[in-house]
Amino acid sequence: GDSVTQMEGPVTLSEEAFLTINCTYTATGYPSLFWYVQYPGEGLQLLLKATKADDKGSNKGFEATYRKETTSFHLEKGSVQVSDSAVYFCALSGLNSGYSTLTFGKGTMLLVSP
Amino acid sequence: KAGVTQTPRYLIKTRGQQVTLSCSPISGHRSVSWYQQTPGQGLQFLFEYFSETQRNKGNFPGRFSGRQFSNSRSEMNVSTLELGDSALYLCASSPRDRFYEQYFGPGTRLTVT
Repeated sequence: GDSVTQMEGPVTLSEEAFLTINCTYTATGYPSLFWYVQYPGEGLQLLLKATKADDKGSNKGFEATYRKETTSFHLEKGSVQVSDSAVYFCALSGLNSGYSTLTFGKGTMLLVSP
Repeated sequence: KAGVTQTPRYLIKTRGQQVTLSCSPISGHRSVSWYQQTPGQGLQFLFEYFSETQRNKGNFPGRFSGRQFSNSRSEMNVSTLELGDSALYLCASSPRDRFYEQYFGPGTRLTVT
């Protein structure tokens, strides 16, 4: 079946540091890939997406590139802020579910200090 | 456009009881999915409905059920509650032309005592 593996946290950074959160996946065919963010006490917000190989998703300074050859979708941001502190989930929507359900990674907590 | 709404936001139930959670999707969205989030298991897919029909189902016991109404609103029901059912239950809706893109509500926090 489909699966998503992302780095365990917490990831602790100082403000303005560079962020990378690794995500790799296993899926049949060509899944769509997503990053979601969850702030304390809230639901998940779609951060960015990519639907085909070599696509780059971007939003609010975050970027991720769909790498088919390495089955990866790593999240990056050049300069993090305290307000970026949250839990980040990598997810895929694949052929096995008719592209209509999401398979999530375990989540990575990001803590940014001033 | 209003987002996905879920009611109630918080719920406390006793073992053996049953519970019904409600979800109203974004206007125009016809697909609704439900997920369970726990610290141990993470986010797990429960089921997905489209046009009042269950289209996909996750690996949960039959105590978990759901339905969708003609206005796309959805409910999920858990019968004979167990302590392990304590979780955040998230509902998500998808637009018809991008059904792989899901928008989540704030969730219902269920505590079973």
